[in-house]
Amino acid sequence: GAVVSQHPSRVICKSGTSVKIECRSLDFQATTMFWYRQFPKQSLMLMATSNEGSKATYEQGVEKDKFLINHASLTLSTLTVTSAHPEDSSFYICSAPYLQGITEAFFGQGTRLTVV
Amino acid sequence: SQQGEEDPQALSIQEGENATMNCSYKTSINNLQWYRQNSGRGLVHLILIRSNEREKHSGRLRVTLDTSKKSSSLLITASRAADTASYFCATDAMGNQGGKLIFGQGTELSVKP
Repeated sequence: GAVVSQHPSRVICKSGTSVKIECRSLDFQATTMFWYRQFPKQSLMLMATSNEGSKATYEQGVEKDKFLINHASLTLSTLTVTSAHPEDSSFYICSAPYLQGITEAFFGQGTRLTVV
Repeated sequence: SQQGEEDPQALSIQEGENATMNCSYKTSINNLQWYRQNSGRGLVHLILIRSNEREKHSGRLRVTLDTSKKSSSLLITASRAADTASYFCATDAMGNQGGKLIFGQGTELSVKP
């Protein structure tokens, strides 16, 4: 099946710094990717839709200036958490849809971000 | 919130018993998917059921879909301790971009040996 790779799997950063998370589709092209956030013991919440070659679409309540998304190629989307604060500590996970008769979403392994 | 609801929020059973989880959603859908997540890990795709399907089986898993009630259920038969995880339903809403999923709140399943 299609593979989506996310890197890094874990990152610890200091408050005020920025962290970049990469999401790659390894064996297919993805003009669209999705970014989700999951707090402990909670469900996944869609943050934004990453569109290749154009601006990302953010869900209500998600700060676009804080969570910068770049989708510069058909296989790579990046999420940068800028000026990170402890409350940004969370599990971030990306997905890429793969059309094979019916669109299925393939997920990366997720990134555990801890801001200290 | 567009997020669906799942019940129960937590379920504790003995090995060998069946586990049933329910999911309700709010909009018309293209398909509904079930995922498993072990603590602190990524998602494992379990099964996808299309809007024109009513029931689907995969190994020990049985999924039903009732679009008139906007609900789905996941049945795990003959549960094992290794089935201990959180289970989420996710809907691919009609009219949304393909692959854009809205997740339910999840059911935390604990299977005791």
